Amino acid sequence: DTGVSQDPRHKITKRGQNVTFRCDPISEHNRLYWYRQTLGQGPEFLTYFQNEAQLEKSRLLSDRFSAERPKGSFSTLEIQRTEQGDSAMYLCASSSSRNNEQFFGPGTRLTVL
Amino acid sequence: QKEVEQNSGPLSVPEGAIASLNCTYSDRGSQSFFWYRQYSGKSPELIMFIYSNGDKEDGRFTAQLNKASQYVSLLIRDSQPSDSATYLCADTGYSTLTFGKGTMLLVSP
Repeated sequence: DTGVSQDPRHKITKRGQNVTFRCDPISEHNRLYWYRQTLGQGPEFLTYFQNEAQLEKSRLLSDRFSAERPKGSFSTLEIQRTEQGDSAMYLCASSSSRNNEQFFGPGTRLTVL
Repeated sequence: QKEVEQNSGPLSVPEGAIASLNCTYSDRGSQSFFWYRQYSGKSPELIMFIYSNGDKEDGRFTAQLNKASQYVSLLIRDSQPSDSATYLCADTGYSTLTFGKGTMLLVSP
């Protein structure tokens, strides 16, 4: 399967813990995006990378959120000191820079207790 | 900040009917839009994109863009129960997507 993959699919953590999610994009795509989706809402953009450069990060929800894509391939999204309000589905998408057709991975569902 | 508005529904149609899903957008400069389908508990799946005024057809799906009215629609012909899902309209922007909340479609057999 050559689609976008995300790991883990589900994560349950206690408030105050740090969590890290991984995303592997479609291999020929050089852009990678992170979104968050809560119940009844559309996905909300967080940040994106073109190759290893993070081109937009002002929409990260707070300074507890950070993302990396060190070698321009997979990416990680870290949330430090998790809060109950961070409970959501975290979606990764990828696209080529020729067009903006973004294909989503299956998502990581985070539950903060 | 761009905004995309959609009626949350549910929109209920009988099998075989035409389902009409709509969204409006705030940015007059927006050029193109995507429609995603999202089944419950799954991630969004890209089903249509439209880059210019007018209609674009792909199988049972037709997307329509009216820039003067800042209005985008998706028509699904011969609706099937398997089309029951939430349909998300997205303004593409330069590189990021701004989504509406989605419209839930229910197709009854």
